[in-house]
Amino acid sequence: QSALTQPASVSGSPGQSIAISCTGTSSDVGGYNYVSWYQQHPGKAPKLMIYEVTNRPSGVSNRFSGSKSGNTASLTISGLQAEDEADYYCSSYTSSSTLEGVFGTGTTVFVL
Amino acid sequence: EVHLEESGGGLVQSGGSLRLSCEASGFTFGSYWMCWVRQAPGKGLEWVANIKEDGSAKYYVDSLKGRFTISRDNSKSSLYLHMNSLRADDTALYYCVRDQGFHSFDMWGQGTMVTVSS
Repeated sequence: QSALTQPASVSGSPGQSIAISCTGTSSDVGGYNYVSWYQQHPGKAPKLMIYEVTNRPSGVSNRFSGSKSGNTASLTISGLQAEDEADYYCSSYTSSSTLEGVFGTGTTVFVL
Repeated sequence: EVHLEESGGGLVQSGGSLRLSCEASGFTFGSYWMCWVRQAPGKGLEWVANIKEDGSAKYYVDSLKGRFTISRDNSKSSLYLHMNSLRADDTALYYCVRDQGFHSFDMWGQGTMVTVSS
């Protein structure tokens, strides 16, 4: 199972909106509405930000939103803040016969 | 409060073995799939293995099959990862993770570091 493809980095100024893409195949991202997104600050464990493509767990800011089109999912961060500078990973359920989990390659968000 | 605490990591020589443990608290452990995710220094997340609520099904990333074994003891709210024939590229921080459903990982421990020396 190959990793999902994400851009290595995305940057934006405070207050702007940015989007991070996550490209898979019809066997994972495109085949199911089970894409999730994680935020990881340096030295910290990942934190679930979005699940089932568009759902936010309790306590996650509504500045974070998710969407999907075909085999590509996206995480949008609006009103970018300094604290949003972190690594972001997507993940998807897969129909692989081994039911392996798969993560994206990861994207570092820089707040300029 | 939901909490996952890993232990058992350390420095081991290439070819050696380790058993990682994860103790869960604050939720009904036996009601969730659980998994291990690892992260090599400076690298991304890699899903390692998962196990069904009652332990009746287990899945592994292809590259690790035969060397790693995931298990659980619901009476102790504990998850385990037995690692054999360790190699330098197994060096990573190993996270214990709760799966709330369909590979959506809602709770993470702080991780336990495994370093394999060659």
